Amino acid sequence: NAGVTQTPKFQVLKTGQSMTLQCAQDMNHEYMSWYRQDPGMGLRLIHYSVGAGITDQGEVPNGYNVSRSTTEDFPLRLLSAAPSQTSVYFCASSYGGGGGYGYTFGSGTRLTVV
Amino acid sequence: KQEVTQIPAALSVPEGENLVLNCSFTDSAIYNLQWFRQDPGKGLTSLLLIQSSQREQTSGRLNASLDKSSGRSTLYIAASQPGDSATYLCAVSPGLIFGQGTTLQVKP
Repeated sequence: NAGVTQTPKFQVLKTGQSMTLQCAQDMNHEYMSWYRQDPGMGLRLIHYSVGAGITDQGEVPNGYNVSRSTTEDFPLRLLSAAPSQTSVYFCASSYGGGGGYGYTFGSGTRLTVV
Repeated sequence: KQEVTQIPAALSVPEGENLVLNCSFTDSAIYNLQWFRQDPGKGLTSLLLIQSSQREQTSGRLNASLDKSSGRSTLYIAASQPGDSATYLCAVSPGLIFGQGTTLQVKP
């Protein structure tokens, strides 16, 4: 099925470990983004990309790195996990950078850092 | 800085009622507004997208309106059902800035 695929669905990390959250879309969308969702804080933008080779920071970028080598993939890297990064992470994509065509979201990755 | 507010934060209604969820935003220079549904432990499902030039969009029992000048949008749900129970989120572009959501419970 066409859409946004996130892996893994669940992950437990120890403080200081690194990992990559994967995000792939097969809709040829130019725009991709990462959000984290925390109780009482809503969804907050971490990083976004308007096309292959182009990335930029969102509202809460510290502690996260991204790259966009292909149109389809937009991985999110945690270099040294901290308990404050415990959250649910969502990847989204859109045909246009301004979201003129609406956004499609993945099913999320639930990350716990102990 | 764009800020999005949703009122009420939670709502409980008996089955069959018509209801309205509210969304307000501080900067009227938006490209569009999108309403999402989120079930517990799940991702976001897009319900309706209203472009900045449009006044409303309809899908089945759902109708969303947009008044850009006043910075408001409403989501109208007709003849509510227990299956409508979920959290409803509105978000504005550019940047897709979200409100905190309204958690709806429809009682049988």
